[in-house]
Amino acid sequence: QKEVEQNSGPLSVPEGAIASLNCTYSDRGSQSFFWYRQYSGKSPELIMFIYSNGDKEDGRFTAQLNKASQYVSLLIRDSQPSDSATYLCAVNIYSGGGADGLTFGKGTHLIIQP
Amino acid sequence: GAGVSQSPRYKVTKRGQDVALRCDPISGHVSLYWYRQALGQGPEFLTYFNYEAQQDKSGLPNDRFSAERPEGSISTLTIQRTEQRDSAMYRCASSLGGDEQFFGPGTRLTVL
Repeated sequence: QKEVEQNSGPLSVPEGAIASLNCTYSDRGSQSFFWYRQYSGKSPELIMFIYSNGDKEDGRFTAQLNKASQYVSLLIRDSQPSDSATYLCAVNIYSGGGADGLTFGKGTHLIIQP
Repeated sequence: GAGVSQSPRYKVTKRGQDVALRCDPISGHVSLYWYRQALGQGPEFLTYFNYEAQQDKSGLPNDRFSAERPEGSISTLTIQRTEQRDSAMYRCASSLGGDEQFFGPGTRLTVL
């Protein structure tokens, strides 16, 4: 049973600060890791993906992966009120047919306080 | 370019009726995925296709749920004899065959 765990929050962060979102996963076979942002009433939007241990930076976002600890995180620097959303962590395992469906966590509700 | 589209956006039906939900993926995308999302939860994987071949249907809750993608483009998710517990947002996503999945706006299904 593949599981992805996230703290549901809400996580409240002052504007301009760093928001840190965390996720753990159960299946050591997981190979690809994703962060989606979902605004209320909208569909999930891919913001970052990471495959290898270490950090991956894209603008104000940094994804961090530690496969030994089965842990993936997302840092948002210089947080803006527009970053307020639910952040979904997802993992993928390849099967013989190619990229499988994603297993999602429940999401962390992030609130950026002006 | 156009994103993933789904229709209808909203569907209200009575318990026991069959419903068909449609997904039109991004042009050229090989893989198509169906998810179900309950309020306050992340999307739950149902099934996916590469071209017209259904690769994995392990997430379909029971045999009332089925999906097809006969020509490798548009897909239909069918729920027979709907029950109140089937009420949810049904989301479709597509990808080029790699990992990056792009989601459509979803179909909100309400079973009365």
